[in-house]
Amino acid sequence: AQSVAQPEDQVNVAEGNPLTVKCTYSVSGNPYLFWYVQYPNRGLQFLLKYITGDNLVKGSYGFEAEFNKSQTSFHLKKPSALVSDSALYFCAVRDVGGSQGNLIFGKGTKLSVKP
Amino acid sequence: DTAVSQTPKYLVTQMGNDKSIKCEQNLGHDTMYWYKQDSKKFLKIMFSYNNKELIINETVPNRFSPKSPDKAHLNLHINSLELGDSAVYFCASSPGAGLPYEQYFGPGTRLTVT
Repeated sequence: AQSVAQPEDQVNVAEGNPLTVKCTYSVSGNPYLFWYVQYPNRGLQFLLKYITGDNLVKGSYGFEAEFNKSQTSFHLKKPSALVSDSALYFCAVRDVGGSQGNLIFGKGTKLSVKP
Repeated sequence: DTAVSQTPKYLVTQMGNDKSIKCEQNLGHDTMYWYKQDSKKFLKIMFSYNNKELIINETVPNRFSPKSPDKAHLNLHINSLELGDSAVYFCASSPGAGLPYEQYFGPGTRLTVT
């Protein structure tokens, strides 16, 4: 069965410092991996995805993520955090072999960026 | 222009009532989804429709019945509401189901059952 783990409930970072939000996955085959962000009282917004190719994926708002097959990880990163990055971040996975399109989400990690 | 819209945004109702949530997307997508986000922010797929056909039907009580009158609309009807149904319900859409498209989410409907 597919699953996603986000081991940290919350990540605290000072503005201007680099940030990392961790994600590991488990699928039977090759994965499609996604990151979404949810601001308070809003729907989820797509940040970036990994399908194939380059392990470093660049996305919206200066975020990037690194796919590591051996460690089954897809950590979200940003070189310099902004206070406005404070939100709830979800990692999601979809099995390459799946045809139904549904995503399996992690439990979310709350990112708090302090001035 | 709102890509994926849901109505209502808030819904407060009593146990035992029947209610509906509506979703519309103007993106021309073929696939639409309903997700439930519980109080701990955990997100889980409930249903998915592709070209008006049901393709995902997770383990959801049969009090929940989705209906897709056309590709742009996916409604969710809930019968005999229970306290445990309180959650935020998100509609989403994507161009299709077979390829790794990103999904576009609506703003959510916060359902409170008292």
